[in-house]
Amino acid sequence: EDKVVQSPLSLVVHEGDTVTLNCSYEVTNFRSLLWYKQEKKAPTFLFMLTSSGIEKKSGRLSSILDKKELFSILNITATQTGDSAVYLCAVEVLRNTGKLIFGQGTTLQVKP
Amino acid sequence: GAVVSQHPSWVICKSGTSVKIECRSLDFQATTMFWYRQFPKQSLMLMATSNEGSKATYEQGVEKDKFLINHASLTLSTLTVTSAHPEDSSFYICSARGWGGSLKETQYFGPGTRLLVL
Repeated sequence: EDKVVQSPLSLVVHEGDTVTLNCSYEVTNFRSLLWYKQEKKAPTFLFMLTSSGIEKKSGRLSSILDKKELFSILNITATQTGDSAVYLCAVEVLRNTGKLIFGQGTTLQVKP
Repeated sequence: GAVVSQHPSWVICKSGTSVKIECRSLDFQATTMFWYRQFPKQSLMLMATSNEGSKATYEQGVEKDKFLINHASLTLSTLTVTSAHPEDSSFYICSARGWGGSLKETQYFGPGTRLLVL
């Protein structure tokens, strides 16, 4: 059975800290791994990773994929209170029309 | 680009009534749309995959007669929750798959619809 597991499930840090969120997966027919940020509404897209070892970066956020060890990390440096959200990892599988399998999410709270 | 809208954003209804939720891709065509449900403090669970012009594919455990999906055009899919009950109260999110041009080949999410069944 396809599975995506995120850790930790929740995290509390102070502004300025650096955090690393983890996502491991076991799926057949891997196509890509995606990271989303979810606040009150629907998820907003952060990164899509398809190749191992290539870091994707957007401001203070970065992510990398290891297809051999089947995991990805999302780093946030110099955290701000606006980074508080649920971070979702999802894996897209090749079969059918590209179904997304989501992890449980990591709830990040950044305190002032 | 790649904007997906949902309507309504909030709906409260009485038990036994049916509720229709619309999902539109505003600036691109989507042959495939997805419907998810999210309960409080849980992740997104895929309910069904909606293909334009054909029947939806439902995930295991999702009742197709209760959650009717219609994907009549390349920019619109609808989810109808029939004879809604309080346990159907949830956050329903749709996504549309982008293809070609500047769009990444991934899913773009709508803002979601909160359904409360009394």
